Amino acid sequence: RKEVEQDPGPFNVPEGATVAFNCTYSNSASQSFFWYRQDCRKEPKLLMSVYSSGNEDGRFTAQLNRASQYISLLIRDSKLSDSATYLCVVGWRGGNKLTFGTGTQLKVEL
Amino acid sequence: NAGVMQNPRHLVRRRGQEARLRCSPVKGHSHVYWYRQLPEEGLKFMVYLQKENIIDESGMPKERFSAEFPKEGPSILRIQQVVRGDSAAYFCASSPGSPNEAFFGQGTRLTVV
Repeated sequence: RKEVEQDPGPFNVPEGATVAFNCTYSNSASQSFFWYRQDCRKEPKLLMSVYSSGNEDGRFTAQLNRASQYISLLIRDSKLSDSATYLCVVGWRGGNKLTFGTGTQLKVEL
Repeated sequence: NAGVMQNPRHLVRRRGQEARLRCSPVKGHSHVYWYRQLPEEGLKFMVYLQKENIIDESGMPKERFSAEFPKEGPSILRIQQVVRGDSAAYFCASSPGSPNEAFFGQGTRLTVV
């Protein structure tokens, strides 16, 4: 089983739709969780951290489910500019290593 | 407050030559990660280093590839005797250590001709 798994997509959604991605992780000792965004041929950039209590930033909501070992990202009112690849990242304090998923591709269409 | 700096941004090498990719982490960051991304594919982990130590090189090909992060100076990813299949974008990221996030450089795009 991969350490971090994501559905590669693509998710094709109309503008204004709500879309959600999940990401599962295998190491129950994982302690830090992030969502990154990568635009075509650019470097990944931090979108948001994921806290145990969940967190929201505008149209974006991230949640953590420790029992089932997954994190989620919800995007409301999708914009064309949201089209990108969304990467799930998991950190394990014991190893200090950040593990990236291979990403979920989102395409928002008119 | 400079971010992660990678150079060169673009590198062209002939088959059989050596490629040296440099990564200067964010000031104060002692953790460096190298990733490779082939066209139309996701990021693939290569190696994770802390100052002067390789912590995890499970994603690094056993031959021709090496990485270092010396006490002074940038982290270096070295690819010897490059082949066409090495053509990819190589991204470096740095972090002060888990549980903190990592910051990426703009990448080095290697083309082997």
